[in-house]
Amino acid sequence: NAGVTQTPKFQVLKTGQSMTLQCAQDMNHNSMYWYRQDPGMGLRLIYYSASEGTTDKGEVPNGYNVSRLNKREFSLRLESAAPSQTSVYFCASSEGGGYAYNSPLHFGNGTRLTVT
Amino acid sequence: GENVEQHPSTLSVQEGDSAVIKCTYSDSASNYFPWYKQELGKRPQLIIDIRSNVGEKKDQRIAVTLNKTAKHFSLHITETQPEDSAVYFCAAIRPPSGGSYIPTFGRGTSLIVHP
Repeated sequence: NAGVTQTPKFQVLKTGQSMTLQCAQDMNHNSMYWYRQDPGMGLRLIYYSASEGTTDKGEVPNGYNVSRLNKREFSLRLESAAPSQTSVYFCASSEGGGYAYNSPLHFGNGTRLTVT
Repeated sequence: GENVEQHPSTLSVQEGDSAVIKCTYSDSASNYFPWYKQELGKRPQLIIDIRSNVGEKKDQRIAVTLNKTAKHFSLHITETQPEDSAVYFCAAIRPPSGGSYIPTFGRGTSLIVHP
């Protein structure tokens, strides 16, 4: 039982390049999330998916797109990377929704992205 | 939407002292309050949570208190140890409207425990 698995762990991009961050969970969770973490800013929500087939914008969605490929997988795409997207990205999942709304988030190990 | 304020941003204590981190929230409908610990270079991990039908919850050296009237909740760590050094995040969650819910996090408290 691996929990939440993110790839890659580290990535360096040049401005304008694109990439996809992959996330998969094996806990049969309904909800999945993408956060970015910057010094002094805490965890800011980029996009989330309450259930398979749905996605919604969070606090800082500009410059990102997401795909909920199936119940297990939720990917984050940067179409044209910018230096402002240099950050640590965390994927998370939870049972979520309905009566399970008060269930904790389980985080992946993070992806450290640098855009030069 | 929900707004969570967390204080202090940095907390420095001597080993063996107690540490208290406080959070306030704005949405009175929020009724689930988890706390996460993030060690340097690691992912955030749940350490304790509380639901609004209780006022206090303890787990060994860690306790969380909730004051629904004042809309604030606190994390208490007693007999601190160097391994307690980490960033701590509070969060507030309300029941979903429209089928989904979004946890709102505080900005984090960096706790430093000096040996």
